[in-house]
Amino acid sequence: DTGVSQDPRHKITKRGQNVTFRCDPISEHNRLYWYRQTLGQGPEFLTYFQNEAQLEKSRLLSDRFSAERPKGSFSTLEIQRTEQGDSAMYLCASSQAGGIEKFFGPGTRLTVL
Amino acid sequence: RKEVEQDPGPFNVPEGATVAFNCTYSNSASQSFFWYRQDCRKEPKLLMSVYSSGNEDGRFTAQLNRASQYISLLIRDSKLSDSATYLCVVNTPNNFNKFYFGSGTKLNVKP
Repeated sequence: DTGVSQDPRHKITKRGQNVTFRCDPISEHNRLYWYRQTLGQGPEFLTYFQNEAQLEKSRLLSDRFSAERPKGSFSTLEIQRTEQGDSAMYLCASSQAGGIEKFFGPGTRLTVL
Repeated sequence: RKEVEQDPGPFNVPEGATVAFNCTYSNSASQSFFWYRQDCRKEPKLLMSVYSSGNEDGRFTAQLNRASQYISLLIRDSKLSDSATYLCVVNTPNNFNKFYFGSGTKLNVKP
């Protein structure tokens, strides 16, 4: 499978714990995006990378959230001191430079108890 | 005001019916428009881009009305497999990398 992959697919954690998610984009794609989707809503933009550079962050990305893409390939999204309001599906997408279409991964569903 | 607004539905239609969804967007400078399909608990997948001249792909037709700031999706001869949530997507005017998604319109096609 050469699509976008995300790990883990599901994560249940207790409030106050830290969690980290991983995204592996399609190999030739140099742009990588993180979105968050809550029940009944469309995905909301969180941040995006071009290669290893994080070029934009949403106001939704509070200081408890950090994303990295150290070598311009896979990316990690860490949430520190999780809150119940962080419960959502976290979607990663990638695209080619100059390409508009984004290809989404299957998402990581986070449940904060 | 939300960037993109859609009727959440659900639209319950029989097989073979024609169904249409509209979506409005708030920023008149938006440049790129798409319909994505999302099955329950799955990731969104691109259904079709929406061009100024309108475009058709099999049973699906998408149209853009810039004057009224809405896009539409028409599905003809609905199939059971068309049951999904349809997400309207708009690019930010000066940033092709940032998508604004509507909350989606749920379609249920019944036998």
